[in-house]
Amino acid sequence: DSGVTQTPKHLITATGQRVTLRCSPRSGDLSVYWYQQSLDQGLQFLIQYYNGEERAKGNILERFSAQQFPDLHSELNLSSLELGDSALYFCASSVGSPGDTQYFGPGTRLTVL
Amino acid sequence: DQQVKQNSPSLSVQEGRISILNCDYTNSMFDYFLWYKKYPAEGPTFLISISSIKDKNEDGRFTVFLNKSAKHLSLHIVPSQPGDSAVYFCAASAGSNYQLIWGAGTKLIIKP
Repeated sequence: DSGVTQTPKHLITATGQRVTLRCSPRSGDLSVYWYQQSLDQGLQFLIQYYNGEERAKGNILERFSAQQFPDLHSELNLSSLELGDSALYFCASSVGSPGDTQYFGPGTRLTVL
Repeated sequence: DQQVKQNSPSLSVQEGRISILNCDYTNSMFDYFLWYKKYPAEGPTFLISISSIKDKNEDGRFTVFLNKSAKHLSLHIVPSQPGDSAVYFCAASAGSNYQLIWGAGTKLIIKP
């Protein structure tokens, strides 16, 4: 158990809809990262937050947004969903230094029908 | 543009033998490399890392070798055990850049 929790575990929705994925970091970690893993692909970095502020941005679509709240939990919002958005979405947390070990949650499997 | 490449999608190794997983990178600015292991239906788990100032780092059965001139790193697992069957990801970061760049992963299968 990494100490990172993600909800929900599975999500099935229709094209055009909007969903919110939630992540709670390990106790003491200030940084949260979001990743997308499509079928048989590596992990694509989406975005990082550190203590409530956006710190780094990767290949995140404009239809996607995220935030980190004062209690350090984070939400990833995916809107106008398309079939291609079906993937595993992982959240990871770390202390927040460059290159430090990231601890991953179990992921949310999103299926867009 | 794949900056981190794991060219073998899968690898099959006999239990007790050595498993060698390879990773190549193109960005010479990368200075920190990590290996993660992933079981089905779970998130990746950190395994071992290496800084570019070193060429080898060892942790129990796991050793990572870094060849900067060849822009190549490898993960050695000795001896391989059934519980090592998983997908292994190589990842890299550069300086103060917090973003980890990931390879596509190699599925390791340990045969009894």
